[in-house]
Amino acid sequence: DGGITQSPKYLFRKEGQNVTLSCEQNLNHDAMYWYRQDPGQGLRLIYYSQIVNDFQKGDIAEGYSVSREKKESFPLTVTSAQKNPTAFYLCASSTHAEGVDSYEQYFGPGTRLTVT
Amino acid sequence: AQSVTQLGSHVSVSEGALVLLRCNYSSSVPPYLFWYVQYPNQGLQLLLKYTSAATLVKGINGFEAEFKKSETSFHLTKPSAHMSDAAEYFCAVSVLSEKLVFGKGTKLTVNP
Repeated sequence: DGGITQSPKYLFRKEGQNVTLSCEQNLNHDAMYWYRQDPGQGLRLIYYSQIVNDFQKGDIAEGYSVSREKKESFPLTVTSAQKNPTAFYLCASSTHAEGVDSYEQYFGPGTRLTVT
Repeated sequence: AQSVTQLGSHVSVSEGALVLLRCNYSSSVPPYLFWYVQYPNQGLQLLLKYTSAATLVKGINGFEAEFKKSETSFHLTKPSAHMSDAAEYFCAVSVLSEKLVFGKGTKLTVNP
């Protein structure tokens, strides 16, 4: 079955440590996204990538970094510079193949990061 | 820039009652509109989408939404609520780009 996987489901880190969240998709989608979700805040875009080796900052990129070395993978690193990293992180992907114009995004199951 | 407003962060209905979740959007050009559902500690699942075809859109689990340009609305409805509908619902808009802009969400509670 095609889909998006995120690992781990739950992640615990000490303050001051960098941590990398994994996102892998086998949907052959070109575009991938990272969102942060906090209660009552909806989803806020951190970074997105439309093609391999290219990515753009979203609305709340400070304290985060990404890479896109492979089409299937878009890992997110939460650095020690992120002031309030505890949140639920969601990865998504979308395609723009010929005949597809709805920009629908498919989401992974999420990673809940707790930093203490 | 486009934006989405979901009216009511919490909505409570009785089982079997009508579900109405409100979404208004702001966009200077025709938008694509989406409703997603999220169960606790899970990712988002697409319920339905509007892409400039029929204004009444039917989705999964008996949900539907109507695009009303004059009211800039895309409200989500279901005739009869089921306990399994309890979740958080997000409206989102996309305009001429790959980025989705999400509303803050509406948490639906279904009472027996």
